[in-house]
Amino acid sequence: AQTVTQSQPEMSVQEAETVTLSCTYDTSESDYYLFWYKQPPSRQMILVIRQEAYKQQNATENRFSVNFQKAAKSFSLKISDSQLGDAAMYFCAYRSFQGGSEKLVFGKGTKLTVNP
Amino acid sequence: ETGVTQSPTHLIKTRGQQVTLRCSSQSGHNTVSWYQQALGQGPQFIFQYYREEENGRGNFPPRFSGLQFPNYSSELNVNALELDDSALYLCASSLIGREAFFGQGTRLTVV
Repeated sequence: AQTVTQSQPEMSVQEAETVTLSCTYDTSESDYYLFWYKQPPSRQMILVIRQEAYKQQNATENRFSVNFQKAAKSFSLKISDSQLGDAAMYFCAYRSFQGGSEKLVFGKGTKLTVNP
Repeated sequence: ETGVTQSPTHLIKTRGQQVTLRCSSQSGHNTVSWYQQALGQGPQFIFQYYREEENGRGNFPPRFSGLQFPNYSSELNVNALELDDSALYLCASSLIGREAFFGQGTRLTVV
């Protein structure tokens, strides 16, 4: 079974600084997708960034980038130039696709605080 | 905001009662997945519906059931509510194999 582990329950960063959130996962599949989702107090899960496992190049979306280490099964999120609006819960997720059915497997999340 | 809407936003039920939660999927999406998010935890997969058929299920008992309608909207039904069913229930819609878009969730409290 696939598992996702986020070892940092809480992180804080100063506005305009850089922070890295950690995520490791376990799977026997060779082709899969990894995601980082942001959940602000409004509760809606918002996709931040996506990484296809077959792509060696790390995904980047504006201030957000990932460090994807497939052999180590590691998928960290780097937020540059942190803004107050980045404060939220961040969830790492793995998309499993087996037998025509797909599901997201989430970690327990990291609460990010941005200090002015 | 995504085009996925859930109703109601909050509700309170008594242990042993039944509840129905609703989800309108984003236009063009034919797949709906439901997740349960307990306080302080990540979402857990309940089940997925694809073209009106259940298309995968997580580790949830049969008293959790669902429906998907021809317009691809969906319902989650929970019978014989237990205190541990108190959680945020999230609906996500997608085209199969593509990115999932989430609604804002329904906060269920069982007393």
